[in-house]
Amino acid sequence: EPEVTQTPSHQVTQMGQEVILRCVPISNHLYFYWYRQILGQKVEFLVSFYNNEISEKSEIFDDQFSVERPDGSNFTLKIRSTKLEDSAMYFCASKTGPSSPLHFGNGTRLTVT
Amino acid sequence: AQTVTQSQPEMSVQEAETVTLSCTYDTSENNYYLFWYKQPPSRQMILVIRQEAYKQQNATENRFSVNFQKAAKSFSLKISDSQLGDTAMYFCAFMKHVIGGSQGNLIFGKGTKLSVKP
Repeated sequence: EPEVTQTPSHQVTQMGQEVILRCVPISNHLYFYWYRQILGQKVEFLVSFYNNEISEKSEIFDDQFSVERPDGSNFTLKIRSTKLEDSAMYFCASKTGPSSPLHFGNGTRLTVT
Repeated sequence: AQTVTQSQPEMSVQEAETVTLSCTYDTSENNYYLFWYKQPPSRQMILVIRQEAYKQQNATENRFSVNFQKAAKSFSLKISDSQLGDTAMYFCAFMKHVIGGSQGNLIFGKGTKLSVKP
């Protein structure tokens, strides 16, 4: 069964550094998402992406965050200058249609020191 | 704005027994979807079951079934014949129905930690 794949599984970075989290959505999916889960807390929506542009973003997704689909297969989340509070599990998800269920990747655990 | 509430932070059940996890939600939408996702210790998010609000029949997937009460805005998950592998965090999630675009993002509850004991 096709899967959403995320790399790396764990990323450690120093405060102020830029990080790029990578995702390869399922190949026939058209809608892409990033979610975040701070340890012990609920999963929070960050951003959705469709037709090569952001379609919706949450308050969390400020100017420090950006997303890109550079080559038709990868979907990346960039954090320009990481803060301690960015430490979390970041999940990429994709789906085929607007009412389809989301398929999640295994997540990238980001640790900012 | 939609909200999802899971009032049971933790639950436990004996292996082979049945357990029900509660979820309530608030929305002014008439068409929407509800989901239960499972997050085992590996942290992966796995879709367990899905319910369309326009369907009166409760969804079932093997040992998993839901009790969907639209008027009460309640969406509970029943796990029958619980297995050790069911130990996980369970998240209830809401998604409004959209036509086109991608505004159909999920709103999650805080989760219920389920422990299945041998």
